[in-house]
Amino acid sequence: QVQLVQSGSYLKKPGASVRISCKTSGFNFTTYSMNWVRQAPGQGLEWMGWIYTRTGNPTYAQGFTGRFVFSSDTAVSTTYLEINNLEAADTAVYYCARSPSWRMLDSWGQGSLVTVSS
Amino acid sequence: QSALTQPASVSGSPGQSITISCSGTSSDVGGYNFVSWYQQHPGKAPKLIIYDVSSRPSGVSDRFSGSKSGNTASLTISGLQTDDEADYYCNSYARGNTLLFGGGTKLTVL
Repeated sequence: QVQLVQSGSYLKKPGASVRISCKTSGFNFTTYSMNWVRQAPGQGLEWMGWIYTRTGNPTYAQGFTGRFVFSSDTAVSTTYLEINNLEAADTAVYYCARSPSWRMLDSWGQGSLVTVSS
Repeated sequence: QSALTQPASVSGSPGQSITISCSGTSSDVGGYNFVSWYQQHPGKAPKLIIYDVSSRPSGVSDRFSGSKSGNTASLTISGLQTDDEADYYCNSYARGNTLLFGGGTKLTVL
């Protein structure tokens, strides 16, 4: 069955970096794009962008350029989100989600909590 | 682009029907039939319940239905059950190769 398993929770200081992984199984990784979605505490879902896994080409939504980096490793069917120069406002749960096209995000990881605090 | 507009909350009694609206523009909801809906229970990941405006993934109850008129999409849940109590988010493809979420609607089953 389709599985997206994310790495755990993180407690980081402002200015540090974090790399979240999303390991997939049960489907052909390179036939899907992988999205990242942010959910701040008590807030709604926010689409951060996606990576076209076949080529590794990322697309970033407005507000997620510069400090945010998407990457993927087809050899291990895993996608990554790296956030650099962390700020308190980055405290959130980050989800990876699979999409066959622009039509839907049809499978989701369990989420990774990033807490940024001094 | 701005987020799509949803009511903050809706409520209904078991067995009743409710509708959640999702308002956008001609550059997103109104311009494409790529509207999807997600259900999120507290502390859980979102789950796809509607895609392409009105299609249901395998395994999703037919009590969930979607529609669109102009720049507004809607999610209707019929025969409300206590387990339907959750947050619901709409999503649409938008011009410029981007996806937009609505602000979310909290459904309370009284």
